[in-house]
Amino acid sequence: NAGVTQTPKFRILKIGQSMTLQCTQDMNHNYMYWYRQDPGMGLKLIYYSVGAGITDKGEVPNGYNVSRSTTEDFPLRLELAAPSQTSVYFCASSFGTANSPLHFGNGTRLTVT
Amino acid sequence: GENVEQHPSTLSVQEGDSAVIKCTYSDSASNYFPWYKQELGKGPQLIIDIRSNVGEKKDQRIAVTLNKTAKHFSLHITETQPEDSAVYFCAGRAPTQLIFGQGTTLQVKP
Repeated sequence: NAGVTQTPKFRILKIGQSMTLQCTQDMNHNYMYWYRQDPGMGLKLIYYSVGAGITDKGEVPNGYNVSRSTTEDFPLRLELAAPSQTSVYFCASSFGTANSPLHFGNGTRLTVT
Repeated sequence: GENVEQHPSTLSVQEGDSAVIKCTYSDSASNYFPWYKQELGKGPQLIIDIRSNVGEKKDQRIAVTLNKTAKHFSLHITETQPEDSAVYFCAGRAPTQLIFGQGTTLQVKP
């Protein structure tokens, strides 16, 4: 099993551009999450999904959108990139509730200039 | 909502020494506290977790203790090795999401 796969690994965007960060998992997990990691700030939850067709906001959702059309995929969309969105983005999945271990991908490092 | 504070932000120890990382949480209803280890260039990985009905849990060289009254929990690593060098995150459940601490960079010097 590949686990959680994120693409791309690195990306540089200009202010105002848009892009989609891809995330797919092959563990048949119902729950999927997007976090961003900034130095000294830990991991902040952007959006999460408890199953196909269901998404909800986390702590820092502004400037992002998500969709969950299948169990396997959970893409994160940035519509108008801003410098404040420079960060490392991690996708994660879990089998059930928040008490289930999260399985993380290896991250996408995004720079907005 | 839940707030998780983690200390210290950096920790340097000699190989073979013990390391302790502490976290405090705000929501008395929180009942699940995992610890994740993040190696360079990778995503975090669960290393141990504890539920609120247990005061201590051990797994080989790592242990976690929980004090519900004081609302704090700690990660203890004994006989540290260079491969323990990484960033460690604590987290608390609030109520359907995990809220993470700020992270601790542990350096184990050979």
